[in-house]
Amino acid sequence: SQKIEQNSEALNIQEGKTATLTCNYTNYSPAYLQWYRQDPGRGPVFLLLIRENEKEKRKERLKVTFDTTLKQSLFHITASQPADSATYLCALGTNNNDMRFGAGTRLTVKP
Amino acid sequence: DTGVSQDPRHKITKRGQNVTFRCDPISEHNRLYWYRQTLGQGPEFLTYFQNEAQLEKSRLLSDRFSAERPKGSFSTLEIQRTEQGDSAMYLCASSSPAGFGTDTQYFGPGTRLTVL
Repeated sequence: SQKIEQNSEALNIQEGKTATLTCNYTNYSPAYLQWYRQDPGRGPVFLLLIRENEKEKRKERLKVTFDTTLKQSLFHITASQPADSATYLCALGTNNNDMRFGAGTRLTVKP
Repeated sequence: DTGVSQDPRHKITKRGQNVTFRCDPISEHNRLYWYRQTLGQGPEFLTYFQNEAQLEKSRLLSDRFSAERPKGSFSTLEIQRTEQGDSAMYLCASSSPAGFGTDTQYFGPGTRLTVL
């Protein structure tokens, strides 16, 4: 069956360090992958999109990699800040533009 | 604010009652999605519309659930004979894909349903 797994459920890091979140998938052939941020009680907010033929994307302190051989995406936040504390969701998009989400990783950045 | 709006934000109902939620997407967006999210999980796809046509429904969407988008603008999601297992956050999102691989979805704040 199709699975999207975000490891781990929670990640705690110190302010200033780089946070690395993973998204692994099985039995999928995603055309693209997106990362969203979700704060408690709010809807997800789009951060970055990376297509299957792209290896890496950057936006300010964010970096996403996409390895279709390993079936994995890594999401990095450099120079992390307490304001980066949130749940981060990966979502896989297919050829007909529908998306499926992972369960998310809750990131806590401690001052 | 020109983002996606949802109404109500919170709904408490008794088991067996019917509830209806409304979503107003970003005005120029032709796609509208409904998701359900429970605590500690990511959003689960329920259904989506391209303009007024409902193009896909998840198997999660039992016959007690119905969604409409009558004029291709706002959408409603109705749950009949609610059950305690329906308690969740119901999220609406809209998008306007410019082509393949461009479906960035913009989410509303959600409607939190509690079934007693």
